[in-house]
Amino acid sequence: EDQVTQSPEALRLQEGESSSLNCSYTVSGLRGLFWYRQDPGKGPEFLFTLYSAGEEKEKERLKATLTKKESFLHITAPKPEDSATYLCAVNGYQKVTFGIGTKLQVIP
Amino acid sequence: KAGVTQTPRYLIKTRGQQVTLSCSPISGHRSVSWYQQTPGQGLQFLFEYFSETQRNKGNFPGRFSGRQFSNSRSEMNVSTLELGDSALYLCASRPWGDNEQFFGPGTRLTVL
Repeated sequence: EDQVTQSPEALRLQEGESSSLNCSYTVSGLRGLFWYRQDPGKGPEFLFTLYSAGEEKEKERLKATLTKKESFLHITAPKPEDSATYLCAVNGYQKVTFGIGTKLQVIP
Repeated sequence: KAGVTQTPRYLIKTRGQQVTLSCSPISGHRSVSWYQQTPGQGLQFLFEYFSETQRNKGNFPGRFSGRQFSNSRSEMNVSTLELGDSALYLCASRPWGDNEQFFGPGTRLTVL
């Protein structure tokens, strides 16, 4: 069965303090790894799709990378508005499996 | 382009009742998936529809069902509600053949 494990569960950063979120996965036949951002009371907002090991994508202060077993979401010089829960998901053979998420809090 | 819309946004029901949730996908998206989100379990896949046919199904009891109409709009029904069904129900749409899903705001269901 496909599995996604995200760590840490929660992360508190000072504004400007860069860090990384981890997503470990096992999947039969990876058809894409996704990162989403979710604000309280809202649906997940799509950020990135990665397809193969070595691939990287960037958007503003976020950079997502992929290896054969893990993905990282690097946050450079975060701002308070980056506070949210970040979800990782893998698209396997028949369905998309999500991790529990990392709740990020950026303090001014 | 308008995003995925879900109605109603909030619902309060009592145990034993049934409920129907509605989802309108992004125009041109023919695949609709449903998820249940709870604090302890995260997003759990319920089912996916394409061209009015259920393509995939998650590990939920038969009380959870859905359907899709010819205009790609989808409904989800939960019968004989239990306290544990309290959750945020999310709908996501995508063009068939694409992997990226786009989510609606969700319906917050509370079962008393």
